[in-house]
Amino acid sequence: GENVEQHPSTLSVQEGDSAVIKCTYSDSASNYFPWYKQELGKRPQLIIDIRSNVGEKKDQRIAVTLNKTAKHFSLHITETQPEDSAVYFCASSGGYQKVTFGTGTKLQVIP
Amino acid sequence: ETGVTQSPTHLIKTRGQQVTLRCSSQSGHNTVSWYQQALGQGPQFIFQYYREEENGRGNFPPRFSGLQFPNYSSELNVNALELDDSALYLCASGWDTGELFFGEGSRLTVL
Repeated sequence: GENVEQHPSTLSVQEGDSAVIKCTYSDSASNYFPWYKQELGKRPQLIIDIRSNVGEKKDQRIAVTLNKTAKHFSLHITETQPEDSAVYFCASSGGYQKVTFGTGTKLQVIP
Repeated sequence: ETGVTQSPTHLIKTRGQQVTLRCSSQSGHNTVSWYQQALGQGPQFIFQYYREEENGRGNFPPRFSGLQFPNYSSELNVNALELDDSALYLCASGWDTGELFFGEGSRLTVL
């Protein structure tokens, strides 16, 4: 089955700096790569996603890149703010709702 | 808000008991899936229902079962509860294209 590895497990940045989270996947049939943000005690929320026919996607301060050949994808957050502090999960899917999640990155933005 | 609601929000059971968790999907979504999220980990796929039929299952034993109803509601049943079943159970609805819209979850504690 699909395996998704995520790094780093924890990340501390100063407010205003950028944060980068990296993931790799194993199943070449995966074609959908969402990113979720989960605040303590809350549900995961979809923040951005990318499909395999696209190499990069941006939404305001958040961007995601995908390298299908290397099976890598990354989340970039620019101009970080304290409210960006949360656990971020990368994930991959080959279709329908069977989504495989990474192990999570706890991001702390220091004011 | 995702339009996905779950009940109960919290419950405590003892080992060996049975539990039923309920989910009301967002109107118009044709797929519902259930995930188990243990503390400090990413969500793990349990199974998925598409038009009231199970059409995908993760690495969970048969004592985890479910149903999807025509009115967009769904339920997850777990028999013979074990201590390791303690987790946040997330329901997600969407379409057959991978996007997940999670409910707030049901936190199950097995004593």
